[in-house]
Parts: sequence; C-alpha cells; structure tokens
Amino acid sequence: EDKVVQSPLSLVVHEGDTVTLNCSYEVTNFRSLLWYKQEKKAPTFLFMLTSSGIEKKSGRLSSILDKKELFSILNITATQTGDSAVYLCAVEASNNDMRFGAGTRLTVKP
Amino acid sequence: DAGITQSPRHKVTETGTPVTLRCHQTENHRYMYWYRQDPGHGLRLIHYSYGVKDTDKGEVSDGYSVSRSKTEDFLLTLESATSSQTSVYFCAISLQGDRSGYTFGSGTRLTVV
Repeated sequence: EDKVVQSPLSLVVHEGDTVTLNCSYEVTNFRSLLWYKQEKKAPTFLFMLTSSGIEKKSGRLSSILDKKELFSILNITATQTGDSAVYLCAVEASNNDMRFGAGTRLTVKP
Repeated sequence: DAGITQSPRHKVTETGTPVTLRCHQTENHRYMYWYRQDPGHGLRLIHYSYGVKDTDKGEVSDGYSVSRSKTEDFLLTLESATSSQTSVYFCAISLQGDRSGYTFGSGTRLTVV
C-alpha cells in the first residue's frame, strides 16, 4: 500500500534556528511530491517537486527530492515565529491518487 | 479563502443522523475534492469530482456520498453519522486537476456524539 511518512512529528526551535523536515514515501508510479503549510485553517501550497536533485527555493524555504532513496526534505533557515505551522508532505501517483503524510508540527519560540 | 466557501464551519450532530456539508466555489474550477483530516493520518481523500455529475471515490469513501449538480457546488453527505466520522473536513478546488493548483477551503469541524 502506498504510504507517506513524515518526521519528526513535532519540533520546537528558537527563532533564528535552521530546521530540516523529512518526508519518505512508497508510492507506485510516482508523479510528484508536494509540500504544504497549514496554519490554523486551510493548507497552502509551498512546492511541487518532480525531478531528483533540483532544489526549489522560496525565500528562506527550500526543498529537494531524491527519487532514488524515495525522500524529500524541506529546509527553513533563520526561522521566525510566523513559520510555526504544520507542514504537510503529499505524494501524487500517475493515476491521480495523492497521499498525505501526517504532518510535522513546527513551533518556533521567540 | 477567496473563491471557496465551506458551510457550516462547525457542526455537532447525533449518531445515526444524516449530515450534509457544502462546498461552494466562485472560480469555475472543474475539479473539486473532499478530504478529512485526523490526527496521525494527515489529509485523506473521501470523494472528488471532475465535472458536473462526474464523481469518483477516494481512499476513505465508505459511509459518504457526494453530489455535484452544478459547477459551483459540491455536497458531501454522511448518510448515517458515526463517531468515527468526527473530523475536520476540507474541500479543495483545482482548475486542471494539478495538485499544485489546489485551493483549500477553511474547513468544517464535525463532531458526532
């Protein structure tokens, strides 16, 4: 069965720290991996990754995919309290099926 | 979120009663989805629609039905609510079925007592 596993489940850091969130997957006919940020309500899209080794970057956030080892990481540098959220990883298969991980809850303390 | 509205925002209902949740969009997007979110499980797809009257089952469709009689509305019905259906329900829309283009609604918190 397809599955997506995120680690750690929760993380507490202080402002200015750098964090790395992990997402490993087992999905038949992989098409893409997506990262979302969920604050109090709806998830919002961060990145979509389809090719290994190509880093996607947006400000202090970056992500990379390793299709050989079946994982992705999301890095956040110089964290701020506004980065506090649940970060969701999702993997889409070619049949349009998409599986979400359980999420990593990040808390950034002042 | 602009363009997509879920109602109600919160609901408490009794076991065995039918419940209908509504997702309304003003974006004229073709694809609409219903997810549920539970601790430890992330988001799981219940049903989705790829056009008016065109729907299909997702990963956790048992106990749920959907209807889409017009582009803007996608209804999720719990035929006979059970405590295991206590959850937060999210609707999402996309133009092309491309998941990077998802827009999520603000969610409906449903409690079945």
